[in-house]
Amino acid sequence: EMQLVQSGAEVKKPGESLRISCKASGYSFATSWVGWVRQMPGKGLEWMGIIYPGDSRIIVSPSFQGQVTISVDKSISTAYLQWSSLQASDTAVYYCARQVGFCTSATCFGAFDVWGQGTMVSVSS
Amino acid sequence: QSALTQPASVSGSPGQSITISCTGTSSDVDGYKYVSWYQQHPDKAPKIMIYDVSHRPSGVSNRFSGSKSGDTASLTISGLQAEDEADYYCSSYTSNSPYAFGTGTRVTVL
Repeated sequence: EMQLVQSGAEVKKPGESLRISCKASGYSFATSWVGWVRQMPGKGLEWMGIIYPGDSRIIVSPSFQGQVTISVDKSISTAYLQWSSLQASDTAVYYCARQVGFCTSATCFGAFDVWGQGTMVSVSS
Repeated sequence: QSALTQPASVSGSPGQSITISCTGTSSDVDGYKYVSWYQQHPDKAPKIMIYDVSHRPSGVSNRFSGSKSGDTASLTISGLQAEDEADYYCSSYTSNSPYAFGTGTRVTVL
């Protein structure tokens, strides 16, 4: 069974750093793009960025450029989303998801067929 | 801000059919065949319902169907059931983002 299992909920203060994880199983991790999606409280889904584990190619939404870092450790089938200095506005649920399809250097075509359970990140002083 | 616009809410009675629209621009939904639709129940992860405009993944009820005409994609739910009450999002490539989700539609079963 294809599965993405995310790390647990986090409670942080503004200015702190954070890395959340997404561990894949049941499929070839290296050959499928893995994306990150933000959902702020009571709001819709926002596409943040995507990474190809095979060669660590990354595409980031202009809205999130410079705000987060996306990375991967292929040896343990795990993708990461990282902040160096959290803000209260980063409070949200973050989902990872596998994309079936393809990406060019700047655009992605396809759908997210497997989703993680979500990681709630709360940032408050 | 999403370039894919959906109605904020759609409602219907059990057994009825409803349609949710997803409108982009000619360079977004119209130009590509990769529109997909997701269902999200409260406090749950999204679930794919339709991919590549009109294809249903294994396990998704055939009451869900997708289509596209011009710059508008649509998701139709036929034989509406109480369990269909959820939020629905379209997604696609857009001209100003590598990828985007629609604004989302709350489906209410009356």
